[in-house]
Amino acid sequence: EPEVTQTPSHQVTQMGQEVILRCVPISNHLYFYWYRQILGQKVEFLVSFYNNEISEKSEIFDDQFSVERPDGSNFTLKIRSTKLEDSAMYFCASSRTGYQPQHFGDGTRLSIL
Amino acid sequence: DAKTTQPPSMDCAEGRAANLPCNHSTISGNEYVYWYRQIHSQGPQYIIHGLKNNETNEMASLIITEDRKSSTLILPHATLRDTAVYYCIVRVHHQAGTALIFGKGTTLSVSS
Repeated sequence: EPEVTQTPSHQVTQMGQEVILRCVPISNHLYFYWYRQILGQKVEFLVSFYNNEISEKSEIFDDQFSVERPDGSNFTLKIRSTKLEDSAMYFCASSRTGYQPQHFGDGTRLSIL
Repeated sequence: DAKTTQPPSMDCAEGRAANLPCNHSTISGNEYVYWYRQIHSQGPQYIIHGLKNNETNEMASLIITEDRKSSTLILPHATLRDTAVYYCIVRVHHQAGTALIFGKGTTLSVSS
């Protein structure tokens, strides 16, 4: 069964550094999403992306965050200048249409030192 | 905040049916009920969704009350691998795709 793939599984970065989290969505999916989960807390929506533009974003997704689909298969989340509070699991999800369920990857654990 | 209310935890014996309730009394006519689960350290896994009719797939059944103010997810024969946090989410369908708003969910513990 096709799945969403995220790399790396664990990323350790110094505070203030830029980090890029990578995702390969399911191949025929057109809608892409990022969520995060701080340890012990709820899963939180960050951003949705369709047709090469952001369709929805949360208050968390400020100017430090950006998303990109650099080619036909990858979907990336960039954090420009990481802060300690950015430490979390980051989940990528995709769906075939806006009306269908989102399918999640197993996440990247981001640790900011 | 999440628009659903779920019990924080439930227990179930292996092989028995697990019935997980969810209240969504403010649900709108165009909102679907979705269920996801999260097994420890993994990403949320889609289980099932419905609008007003009962739904069944290979994983579970979803029973939605006639007034749509509550629903029940049924795992017919729970196994140890069903131990997870289960999330009930209401979501509008939109062509642009809409966010899933997760609450705290119900932690289901299946024991032998």
